[in-house]
Amino acid sequence: ETGVTQSPTHLIKTRGQQVTLRCSSQSGHNTVSWYQQALGQGPQFIFQYYREEENGRGNFPPRFSGLQFPNYSSELNVNALELDDSALYLCASSSASTGVSGELFFGEGSRLTVL
Amino acid sequence: QKEVEQNSGPLSVPEGAIASLNCTYSDRGSQSFFWYRQYSGKSPELIMFIYSNGDKEDGRFTAQLNKASQYVSLLIRDSQPSDSATYLCAVNRYNQGGKLIFGQGTELSVKP
Repeated sequence: ETGVTQSPTHLIKTRGQQVTLRCSSQSGHNTVSWYQQALGQGPQFIFQYYREEENGRGNFPPRFSGLQFPNYSSELNVNALELDDSALYLCASSSASTGVSGELFFGEGSRLTVL
Repeated sequence: QKEVEQNSGPLSVPEGAIASLNCTYSDRGSQSFFWYRQYSGKSPELIMFIYSNGDKEDGRFTAQLNKASQYVSLLIRDSQPSDSATYLCAVNRYNQGGKLIFGQGTELSVKP
């Protein structure tokens, strides 16, 4: 089990609402990435934060936004929820110093259902 | 064409057999390649990574990379029922830190 924790684990929202998901990264990791995993699909990269700055973004609209705090924890915010936003949202932490680029430590995810 | 493609399966093998999982990728700029395992209802966990052409072995697992053919595979020897999971192939272009591109995953079922 990794030291990455996410909250909430499950939540249900309705179309048009807004949601905030939270992530605490593994101790010593300064980089947080967020992924969306739809049922039966692989995770899709949303964005990455490094030292409180967005450091790359996948093909997601601006209503997906994020923050990283000085303690390296992070939030993912999604505005104007759509039915297709229903998915497992995974937070992954990593460290530039590990020397293994791409070795991610995932949290257990937040499962979002949009009705 | 998807950037990373895997057969979705399910792939079913008997206990003790070799399971072979395959993955192709489209971007020749891809630098590093990863296999993650995901049990149902759980998050992905890293099994192996490979950067160079050829084979890399770790216990019962062997990753194989052929950059000319843009092909990466994972072999699991002496498959166990506990290996039953979805295996995700992921590619890191230009070594861009945690920005992985995942395939859709191959479901493996190992029958006792």
